[in-house]
Amino acid sequence: DAKTTQPPSMDCAEGRAANLPCNHSTISGNEYVYWYRQIHSQGPQYIIHGLKNNETNEMASLIITEDRKSSTLILPHATLRDTAVYYCIVRVAFSASKIIFGSGTRLSIRP
Amino acid sequence: GAVVSQHPSWVICKSGTSVKIECRSLDFQATTMFWYRQFPKQSLMLMATSNEGSKATYEQGVEKDKFLINHASLTLSTLTVTSAHPEDSSFYICSARALAGGSNEQFFGPGTRLTVL
Repeated sequence: DAKTTQPPSMDCAEGRAANLPCNHSTISGNEYVYWYRQIHSQGPQYIIHGLKNNETNEMASLIITEDRKSSTLILPHATLRDTAVYYCIVRVAFSASKIIFGSGTRLSIRP
Repeated sequence: GAVVSQHPSWVICKSGTSVKIECRSLDFQATTMFWYRQFPKQSLMLMATSNEGSKATYEQGVEKDKFLINHASLTLSTLTVTSAHPEDSSFYICSARALAGGSNEQFFGPGTRLTVL
């Protein structure tokens, strides 16, 4: 799996949009971008994934650049419950490949 | 969505004893389960890949004789920490890969916190 680079920490005001960047310059053509988050003392939670088109679900939006070398996870209206470590991972979708976690971004939401 | 459970959610044991952690896929069958370990303020580290009916594949640096993995059915994998020591204190997380529907997506359990005194 390709390696990703994320800022170690970010903060955002409650109610504002949180934009979390991820660089994956060595991503392969068949690799998807996945985002997970881990709230303190819990298991990771799947958020969203995409290949090249922007994706949106009830939790977040995923914006992938045209060259696919970077992406941004957007939490449109951050709440205190969104405080967590967010992991960006690139992997082949629908495969048996293991998920290798990087260091992620620790997102803090300010009241 | 698919649910993965772990039991116990936390355990405290004395040094030298063995501890078994269960990982169950509650509403789907999983041919493959993964075990991770996470130390405070660190990321998840993959320990091993467990396939139903066969021996687990361990990541480099993980002692297979210390961390025994059994995946006897499509819904249950167990991790036994043998002769536990304080340095084994950690947060252990499993994930299960769904078999049905071809999704092959992985779902994570809530984790088990092990404290070795």
